[in-house]
Amino acid sequence: AQSVAQPEDQVNVAEGNPLTVKCTYSVSGNPYLFWYVQYPNRGLQFLLKYITGDNLVKGSYGFEAEFNKSQTSFHLKKPSALVSDSALYFCAVRDLGGYNKLIFGAGTRLAVHP
Amino acid sequence: KAGVTQTPRYLIKTRGQQVTLSCSPISGHRSVSWYQQTPGQGLQFLFEYFSETQRNKGNFPGRFSGRQFSNSRSEMNVSTLELGDSALYLCASRPSAGGNNEQFFGPGTRLTVL
Repeated sequence: AQSVAQPEDQVNVAEGNPLTVKCTYSVSGNPYLFWYVQYPNRGLQFLLKYITGDNLVKGSYGFEAEFNKSQTSFHLKKPSALVSDSALYFCAVRDLGGYNKLIFGAGTRLAVHP
Repeated sequence: KAGVTQTPRYLIKTRGQQVTLSCSPISGHRSVSWYQQTPGQGLQFLFEYFSETQRNKGNFPGRFSGRQFSNSRSEMNVSTLELGDSALYLCASRPSAGGNNEQFFGPGTRLTVL
C-alpha cells in the first residue's frame, strides 16, 4: 500500500533563511507526488507535483521540491522563507490503484519567525 | 475562472441528524473527490465521482454517501451523525478522469456535531 510520512510536526525557521519540509514515501511502482499548503480556515492549495522527469520540481510561490528515488524522499524547499509562508504543509501520493485518490501525510506546521 | 465552491461553509448539527454538503467544481472539471480532515486522523479520502459514477470509495461507514449530477456538481450526505463526524469536509475537482493533473480544493465545510 502507498503511504507518505512527514517526520516533523513543526518546523521553525527565521525569515530569510532557507527552509526544508521533509517527506518520505512508500509506493510500489513510480510515485506521483504532490505538495499542498493550507492556511487557517482555508482549503488546500496546490504547490507542485512530481510525475516524471527532472528530480528538481519548481512550484508556486518560490517553492521547489527534490525527488530522490534512492532515499524515497520528496522534500519541499525554499531558498528564503517569508513570514507569510507560515502554514500547514501536506505531502501526498496518488494511490496508483485508486484513480485520483490522494494519500496524505500528517502535515507539517511551518512557522517562520521575523 | 471561479474556483471550487462548497456550501455551506459552516454547519452545526446534533447527534442523530443527517446533513448534506454541496460542492460545485471548477467549470469544465468532471471529477470530484471528497476528503475528511480531522485533527486526529488527518486528511482521509471519502469518495470520488466522475460522470455521475462513484469510482472509488474510502474506508468509511455506509452512513457516508454521495452523488454527482450531470453538471458535475456533487453532494455528500452523512446520516445518523455521530460526534466523531465533526470535521472539515473538503471537496476537490480535476479536469478529467485520467492523467496526472493536480486536484483543486475548495475552502471546505466545517461540520460540528453536538
